[in-house]
Amino acid sequence: DGGITQSPKYLFRKEGQNVTLSCEQNLNHDAMYWYRQDPGQGLRLIYYSQIVNDFQKGDIAEGYSVSREKKESFPLTVTSAQKNPTAFYLCASSIEGAAKYEQYFGPGTRLTVT
Amino acid sequence: GNSVTQMEGPVTLSEEAFLTINCTYTATGYPSLFWYVQYPGEGLQLLLKATKADDKGSNKGFEATYRKETTSFHLEKGSVQVSDSAVYFCALTRGGNNRKLIWGLGTSLAVNP
Repeated sequence: DGGITQSPKYLFRKEGQNVTLSCEQNLNHDAMYWYRQDPGQGLRLIYYSQIVNDFQKGDIAEGYSVSREKKESFPLTVTSAQKNPTAFYLCASSIEGAAKYEQYFGPGTRLTVT
Repeated sequence: GNSVTQMEGPVTLSEEAFLTINCTYTATGYPSLFWYVQYPGEGLQLLLKATKADDKGSNKGFEATYRKETTSFHLEKGSVQVSDSAVYFCALTRGGNNRKLIWGLGTSLAVNP
């Protein structure tokens, strides 16, 4: 079955530590996205990538970093510079083609930093 | 720029009640419009979409019509079930060749038996 996997589902870290969230897709999609979800704030775009070895900052990129070395993978690193990292993180992907704008989501990773 | 406004929740209904969740937008050009659903603890799933004015998207008994004259894309269902309890997000494209989506804040729906 094609889809997007995110691991782990729950992640706990101490303040001051960097942590990397995994996102893998086997949908052969070109574009991938990372969102952060906080209660009452909807989805906010962190980073996105439209092609391998290229990515752009979204609306709230500070304190985060990404890489896109393979089409299937788009890991997100939450650095110690992110002031409020506890949140639910969602990865998504989409086809790069005419009239194909819908995004497909993974199950999410809930990060708790104490 | 493009933006989307959803009605605030939470919305609480009894089973078999009629559901409307309002979504209005501002946009230049002709955005595509989407409704996504998020069940507790899960990622988002595309529920339905419409890509041009007067299009009606439908899925699982839910419907929404792209109304350019009122800049709206309201989600409706004639008879909700307990299993419809979730958070519903309205979204639209940012325009041009930009494939990023603009998201509403989400509306929580709770359906009681």
